[in-house]
Amino acid sequence: AQSVAQPEDQVNVAEGNPLTVKCTYSVSGNPYLFWYVQYPNRGLQFLLKYITGDNLVKGSYGFEAEFNKSQTSFHLKKPSALVSDSALYFCAVRDAGNYQLIWGAGTKLIIKP
Amino acid sequence: ETGVTQTPRHLVMGMTNKKSLKCEQHLGHNAMYWYKQSAKKPLELMFVYSLEERVENNSVPSRFSPECPNSSHLFLHLHTLQPEDSALYLCASSQFRDRGSGELFFGEGSRLTVL
Repeated sequence: AQSVAQPEDQVNVAEGNPLTVKCTYSVSGNPYLFWYVQYPNRGLQFLLKYITGDNLVKGSYGFEAEFNKSQTSFHLKKPSALVSDSALYFCAVRDAGNYQLIWGAGTKLIIKP
Repeated sequence: ETGVTQTPRHLVMGMTNKKSLKCEQHLGHNAMYWYKQSAKKPLELMFVYSLEERVENNSVPSRFSPECPNSSHLFLHLHTLQPEDSALYLCASSQFRDRGSGELFFGEGSRLTVL
């Protein structure tokens, strides 16, 4: 069965420090992996995706994510956190033969000044 | 207007009321979705419409009734809801024929409270 795990409910980072939001997945075929962000009282916004090719994917707002096939992970990273990065982050996956996304439960990222 | 627009943003209703949520997309996409978002849970896919035909119905109770009159508009009709249906309802759109590689574009959601 397909699944996504975001092991941390909340991540706290000081402004200017690097941040990592973790995601691991399980799919039967080749994965399509996505990160979305949700700011307070807003809908979800697409950040980045991995479909094929280079394992390091760059996205919006300076975020990047690394696809690791052996560890079935797709962790979201940013070299230097901003207070404005504080939001809820969702990882999602689908396999290449299925259009339906499977979502993680979300990780609340708090960046402290 | 651009993107995906949802109305109303907030809705409070009693269990015997009938109300509707509306979604409109201005992106030229051919698929539209309803999701339910509850706190600290994964998003729950409720319905998918592709080219105005329903292609997915994830065992949603019949008190939720979707309607897709054209590729730009999607409704969720609500009737005799339960308090546990209180949640944020998100509409999204995409290009369905991307077969999974395309991203979803979300509206800002309709916050539903059932008393």
